[in-house]
Amino acid sequence: NAGVTQTPKFRILKIGQSMTLQCTQDMNHNYMYWYRQDPGMGLKLIYYSVGAGITDKGEVPNGYNVSRSTTEDFPLRLELAAPSQTSVYFCASSYLSGDYGYTFGSGTRLTVV
Amino acid sequence: EDKVVQSPLSLVVHEGDTVTLNCSYEVTNFRSLLWYKQEKKAPTFLFMLTSSGIEKKSGRLSSILDKKELFSILNITATQTGDSAVYLCAVYSGTYKYIFGTGTRLKVLA
Repeated sequence: NAGVTQTPKFRILKIGQSMTLQCTQDMNHNYMYWYRQDPGMGLKLIYYSVGAGITDKGEVPNGYNVSRSTTEDFPLRLELAAPSQTSVYFCASSYLSGDYGYTFGSGTRLTVV
Repeated sequence: EDKVVQSPLSLVVHEGDTVTLNCSYEVTNFRSLLWYKQEKKAPTFLFMLTSSGIEKKSGRLSSILDKKELFSILNITATQTGDSAVYLCAVYSGTYKYIFGTGTRLKVLA
């Protein structure tokens, strides 16, 4: 059982480039989330989805976009990368609305130079 | 504004010591509080607390919630080097999201 799979694990982008962080879960969870974690900071919610075709903004959505065409996949798109987007990104999923905690992916470490 | 505050920010102890990590919160609609352990990668789930005064226990780790005073503590007894990690507290306030604290970085020296 793979759980939540994120790719890539590491990436270096130049300012202004774009990329997509991939996230796939095989637990048939309806709820999926993208968080970023900056050094010494807690996790901040970027976007979340309550099911296929439904997405909504979290606390820090600027500079990002998401889509949820299937239950399994929840990619995060960075357009025009900026140094402020240097962070570790975690994808997570949950069976119910969150009361029972998340299953996290292993993270993507992104550096924008 | 909803917030979760953890203390201390970091802690260095020796193997065998007992540590207490603190998490206080202010949220408009408390539903549950979770503790996670984060080593080099993804956070892993430790405990979920919803009711005051009921201790959750797993081996050398235990946690309790005080909903009147709005805090939780995580205790680790007889610490081992493998306990070295960042411990995250998160409060679920509904609206499909958790509010995370900044974490307590624990280092256990041999």
